[in-house]
Amino acid sequence: DTGVSQDPRHKITKRGQNVTFRCDPISEHNRLYWYRQTLGQGPEFLTYFQNEAQLEKSRLLSDRFSAERPKGSFSTLEIQRTEQGDSAMYLCASSYSAGAETQYFGPGTRLLVL
Amino acid sequence: GQNIDQPTEMTATEGAIVQINCTYQTSGFNGLFWYQQHAGEAPTFLSYNVLDGLEEKGRFSSFLSRSKGYSYLLLKELQMKDSASYLCAVIIYGNNRLAFGKGNQVVVIP
Repeated sequence: DTGVSQDPRHKITKRGQNVTFRCDPISEHNRLYWYRQTLGQGPEFLTYFQNEAQLEKSRLLSDRFSAERPKGSFSTLEIQRTEQGDSAMYLCASSYSAGAETQYFGPGTRLLVL
Repeated sequence: GQNIDQPTEMTATEGAIVQINCTYQTSGFNGLFWYQQHAGEAPTFLSYNVLDGLEEKGRFSSFLSRSKGYSYLLLKELQMKDSASYLCAVIIYGNNRLAFGKGNQVVVIP
């Protein structure tokens, strides 16, 4: 395992459809984060898990967004009833809860809502 | 919340040195990270500073002044592959989220 992986890398969907993204963290990392990034901006925090527990959610995470990490390993982020404003790069990161706790990012899923 | 400010774009010549600045305002500061992000790719970790001073790592160095709420990333011996966006992000006590600035786009020209 050499890094964080995300699937799919690209997703095009029509407004109103549901989409689900998957993130597989670095295997020994117990913390997993979701961020969203739009063009010309830095990533914005959405939510994070420690093991299987979702410990924090941003106000950006409307009730159309839900994230899970059922076994404390991979995580899914679902967006229901997508809107054009949801178009962005969705980044996943993981870290180990010790020391400097550097977050390592996956390649992201680029979502385009038509 | 955190207020993080970075200049937006700079152009530099191959082989030169460039300094990218980042200022922040936050309470409970617990460290500042620099990431490099090439277009369409994920941010990759460059450096972490939590104490005042300079951290050197090969061609890249990062400096932090906690009292001034200021950091810079120094890129030496610029190479074409260094053309990217450079993001600074702060982390605060009791909160594991990274708060990012908008990033500084560096364009390296021959």
